[in-house]
Amino acid sequence: EPEVTQTPSHQVTQMGQEVILRCVPISNHLYFYWYRQILGQKVEFLVSFYNNEISEKSEIFDDQFSVERPDGSNFTLKIRSTKLEDSAMYFCASSNEGGEPQHFGDGTRLSIL
Amino acid sequence: GENVEQHPSTLSVQEGDSAVIKCTYSDSASNYFPWYKQELGKRPQLIIDIRSNVGEKKDQRIAVTLNKTAKHFSLHITETQPEDSAVYFCAARIQSGNTPLVFGKGTRLSVIA
Repeated sequence: EPEVTQTPSHQVTQMGQEVILRCVPISNHLYFYWYRQILGQKVEFLVSFYNNEISEKSEIFDDQFSVERPDGSNFTLKIRSTKLEDSAMYFCASSNEGGEPQHFGDGTRLSIL
Repeated sequence: GENVEQHPSTLSVQEGDSAVIKCTYSDSASNYFPWYKQELGKRPQLIIDIRSNVGEKKDQRIAVTLNKTAKHFSLHITETQPEDSAVYFCAARIQSGNTPLVFGKGTRLSVIA
């Protein structure tokens, strides 16, 4: 069964540094999402992406965040100047036409020191 | 916006007993309700979903019921097994394009052998 893949699995970064999280969605999917999960808490929506542009974004997704689909396969989340509170598990998800179900990747654990 | 409440936050059952997790949602426009199972450190995995034109859906030991009038839906797991132990998240979304999932806070289910 096709899967969403994410790299790296764990990223440790100094506060203030830029970080890029990478995702390869399922190949025939059209809709892409980033969610995050702070340890022990619920999964929170960050941003959705379709047809090479952002469809929706949450209040969490401020000017420090950006997303990009640089080629036909990768979908990236960039945090420009990381803060301690950005420490979380970041999940990429994708879905086909119709928008469901959303399939999640294994996540990237981001630790900001 | 949509708000999803989930209860209980923790649930312990004896192996073989049934487990029920309940969620309520606030936005009557929501019409898609998936349930995800998340094992420690792993991705949320879709286990069952229901659309608002259906009142109940069953898949082997797992069933979901939906009451649109009351805006609540429930997950039922029968004949629980130790491998059912995980955190379960309910979610809701408006079935359109790539609108995001709004998750509940999760229920930690422990099945005691």
